[in-house]
Amino acid sequence: NAGVTQTPKFQVLKTGQSMTLQCAQDMNHEYMSWYRQDPGMGLRLIHYSVGAGITDQGEVPNGYNVSRSTTEDFPLRLLSAAPSQTSVYFCASSPRGGAQYFGPGTRLTVL
Amino acid sequence: SQQGEEDPQALSIQEGENATMNCSYKTSINNLQWYRQNSGRGLVHLILIRSNEREKHSGRLRVTLDTSKKSSSLLITASRAADTASYFCATVDNTGFQKLVFGTGTRLLVSP
Repeated sequence: NAGVTQTPKFQVLKTGQSMTLQCAQDMNHEYMSWYRQDPGMGLRLIHYSVGAGITDQGEVPNGYNVSRSTTEDFPLRLLSAAPSQTSVYFCASSPRGGAQYFGPGTRLTVL
Repeated sequence: SQQGEEDPQALSIQEGENATMNCSYKTSINNLQWYRQNSGRGLVHLILIRSNEREKHSGRLRVTLDTSKKSSSLLITASRAADTASYFCATVDNTGFQKLVFGTGTRLLVSP
C-alpha cells in the first residue's frame, strides 16, 4: 500500500491564481481530511469528508473547495490564491473510529 | 480555535532520560490521540486513548488521560536521539465525524 499520497510536494503561485492539490489513499478509508499547518500554529482543519459524495467545512474553509467523487481521492482547490494561504497542507485519511494517516504534505507559497 | 494546549512548548533532554509532555483540552471528548512530526515531514500516529480509558502503553510510550481535569500526558521512557521531533495531541469529540483538533505541539530535542 502506498498509504496517503499528495501531489505536488512544492508549489509557488502568484496571487489570484487557482490550483488543485491532489490527495489519494489506497486503504479504503471512509474519512478524509485536509489540514493546513502554519508556523507555531499546529494543524487546522480546512474541509473533511465522511464518504464519497459527502463533504463538510472545518475550522478554516474560506478560499478552499473540495469534492469527493470516489473513496480514494479528495482534491483541495484554491479558488484565488492569497498570500495568507502560504502554508503546508496535509491530507489525511482514517477508518471510522480509528487513527488518521497523514500524507507527506504540500508546501505552498503564494507571492 | 485550538483545542489542545501542549506543555511545555519545548523540551531538551539527554539520551536515556524520560520525557513527559502534557496536553490540556477544553471540551468533552470521545478520544485523544498523540502524533509525532519530524521536521519537514507528515504526522505519524503514536497512540489513541478513549475517554473511558485512564492509561495506555505502547512500547516506550505511556499515555494517561484524566477527563475530570481535561488533561493527558505522554511519557517517553529511555529517550533516544531519534525521538527528536514535535509531538502533538489531538482530540476527537462526540459529534460524529472524528474531527481532530490539534494543539500547538511540544518540540522535543534529545541530545546524544
